[in-house]
Amino acid sequence: DTAVSQTPKYLVTQMGNDKSIKCEQNLGHDTMYWYKQDSKKFLKIMFSYNNKELIINETVPNRFSPKSPDKAHLNLHINSLELGDSAVYFCASSADWAGGLGIDTQYFGPGTRLTVL
Amino acid sequence: SQKIEQNSEALNIQEGKTATLTCNYTNYSPAYLQWYRQDPGRGPVFLLLIRENEKEKRKERLKVTFDTTLKQSLFHITASQPADSATYLCALNRDDKIIFGKGTRLHILP
Repeated sequence: DTAVSQTPKYLVTQMGNDKSIKCEQNLGHDTMYWYKQDSKKFLKIMFSYNNKELIINETVPNRFSPKSPDKAHLNLHINSLELGDSAVYFCASSADWAGGLGIDTQYFGPGTRLTVL
Repeated sequence: SQKIEQNSEALNIQEGKTATLTCNYTNYSPAYLQWYRQDPGRGPVFLLLIRENEKEKRKERLKVTFDTTLKQSLFHITASQPADSATYLCALNRDDKIIFGKGTRLHILP
């Protein structure tokens, strides 16, 4: 069974379009994350949800809107896509989060490669 | 603010030798530090965690050290194999969120 899954694996779209990436974890974790990994392979956190509540919101354009319908799902919607949004987006989950004085060992999904043309 | 640096972008090691990767951080020492492995086209995978009161942690051929005086963690792979070739990321917490280093690409040469 896949612990953290994301769909789609690849996403190719035109500038200006709106797209969504879905993430699901079956680990029973309380905290989920979205990361962006750019062409230089730098992995940077974007958002984090703990028990469906937003706890981390890095300096990300408001074209990016996460949504957590329940603890097992965290989706990412991107409006008005730009060339600079091209990257690999990773979803992750952890049993605890550092803000709750827990250990936030990350379990990552396989990634979604977004290409904006 | 807390910064994390992995000062080798790439490292070539002969098969059978020990590979040593370095992770340095600034400012305060985190409560723990983590190491992950990332293969091309895949998400990072957790390898080891070491707490600030631990000097060393081992798992099979992997060893991690944590020196809070030097503000440094070393990651060792002994008896390295070509299958160990990957990017290795260290991670620690800053302001209650995890931050990752840029990673070191390790190539084990047969």
